Amino acid sequence: AQTVTQSQPEMSVQEAETVTLSCTYDTSESNYYLFWYKQPPSRQMILVIRQEAYKQQNATENRFSVNFQKAAKSFSLKISDSQLGDTAMYFCAYHTTNTGNQFYFGTGTSLTVIP
Amino acid sequence: DVKVTQSSRYLVKRTGEKVFLECVQDMDHENMFWYRQDPGLGLRLIYFSYDVKMKEKGDIPEGYSVSREKKERFSLILESASTNQTSMYLCASSFLEVGQPQHFGDGTRLSIL
Repeated sequence: AQTVTQSQPEMSVQEAETVTLSCTYDTSESNYYLFWYKQPPSRQMILVIRQEAYKQQNATENRFSVNFQKAAKSFSLKISDSQLGDTAMYFCAYHTTNTGNQFYFGTGTSLTVIP
Repeated sequence: DVKVTQSSRYLVKRTGEKVFLECVQDMDHENMFWYRQDPGLGLRLIYFSYDVKMKEKGDIPEGYSVSREKKERFSLILESASTNQTSMYLCASSFLEVGQPQHFGDGTRLSIL
């Protein structure tokens, strides 16, 4: 099985500040897909952002952006201007043609935005 | 919007019971998945299916089975529930094309007493 590592079990950030969540993965593939998912307390898991490995440009969705370092196998999520609604578990996930239809998820980072 | 519906948000059963968790999606997705979510362990894949009547084992299939008789419905079955199967269960679906994101249901918090 592929390995996806999120080394920060818990993080906190002041409202309106910027926070970065880290994710590393292990692979020998050249093309693959990486995702960040958000799971608010007692609510549904939703997609935050998606990155295709062969695209050099880092993906951006409004206040969310990634720092994709392919050689280092690193895929961090930056949240700018943090809002109370960003409080959630965040999961990094890896997906490739050679894993069939499977996604591999990290263990998650619990982010708390402090008012 | 994609809708993935899990039949129950909370469920309490007794050890030895046969338990059915149901999941329905409305986006004509080929792939459907069942995960188990436990604190500190993230999401672990139990089973997935890429077509009607097709199923593939994930990382932790022991004690579970699945059924996919219709494209939109994917059922997880605990043949004889045990206390170590107390957990949050998440259903997800996606298109067959590689790189497509998964869409999740609200989850079922299952307690086995």
